[in-house]
Amino acid sequence: GQQLNQSPQSMFIQEGEDVSMNCTSSSIFNTWLWYKQDPGEGPVLLIALYKAGELTSNGRLTAQFGITRKDSFLNISASIPSDVGIYFCAGPLNTNAGKSTFGDGTTLTVKP
Amino acid sequence: SAVISQKPSRDICQRGTSLTIQCQVDSQVTMMFWYRQQPGQSLTLIATANQGSEATYESGFVIDKFPISRPNLTFSTLTVSNMSPEDSSIYLCSVDSMGVGEQFFGPGTRLTVL
Repeated sequence: GQQLNQSPQSMFIQEGEDVSMNCTSSSIFNTWLWYKQDPGEGPVLLIALYKAGELTSNGRLTAQFGITRKDSFLNISASIPSDVGIYFCAGPLNTNAGKSTFGDGTTLTVKP
Repeated sequence: SAVISQKPSRDICQRGTSLTIQCQVDSQVTMMFWYRQQPGQSLTLIATANQGSEATYESGFVIDKFPISRPNLTFSTLTVSNMSPEDSSIYLCSVDSMGVGEQFFGPGTRLTVL
C-alpha cells in the first residue's frame, strides 16, 4: 500500500530555532498535506500542496511539494512554545481524494 | 472549513461491552471518515461512512466489530463492539467538505477498555 515515511521521529529544540521535517514515499502522491495535533485534540490542517515543486507558506510555516511527487518537507521558523505538538504528513489514498494515509508523525518539543 | 463535535469526549469501559461514538458536523458533507489512533501512534483509517448505504471498511476492519451508521449528511456513529483492552485508542471522525483531500477532524473520543 501507499506508505509515508516521516522523519525525524522527534525533535527537541530551543525556542527561536528553526525546524525542518520531511516525508517521503515510494509512491507518487498528487497532494501533500501537513497537519498538527495538539494533546487531546484532533489534527488540524496547516498546509495543503497540490502541484509538484509548489512552495507554500502559512505564517512561520513553509512547505514544499517535491518535484518527484514522492516527498515533501515542512519548515517552521523561529519556533515558539505553542509549536509543541505532533506534526503529520498525509496524502490522499489512490484516486479517492477524501481518504488519506498518514505518516507516523514528528513530535516537536520546544524548550523556552 | 467544517466544525465537528464528537460525543463522548472520553470513556472508560469494561471488556466485552460496546460503545457508540457520535459525530456531528455543522454543515452537510458527502465524505465522512472514521480513524483510530492507538497510543503514541499515527492515524489509521477504519472506514468511510456512506450516507444511505453501508460503510466502506479498510483492510483489517470489519462491520461486526465497528458498525457505522450515517443516517444523513451531518451525522454519523461508530460503535466499538465487544471491546477488549486492545481497543483502547482515540477514535476520530473527519470530513472532506471540499472534496479535495483536505480533512477537518473532530476532537476525538478517548476510549480506555479495562
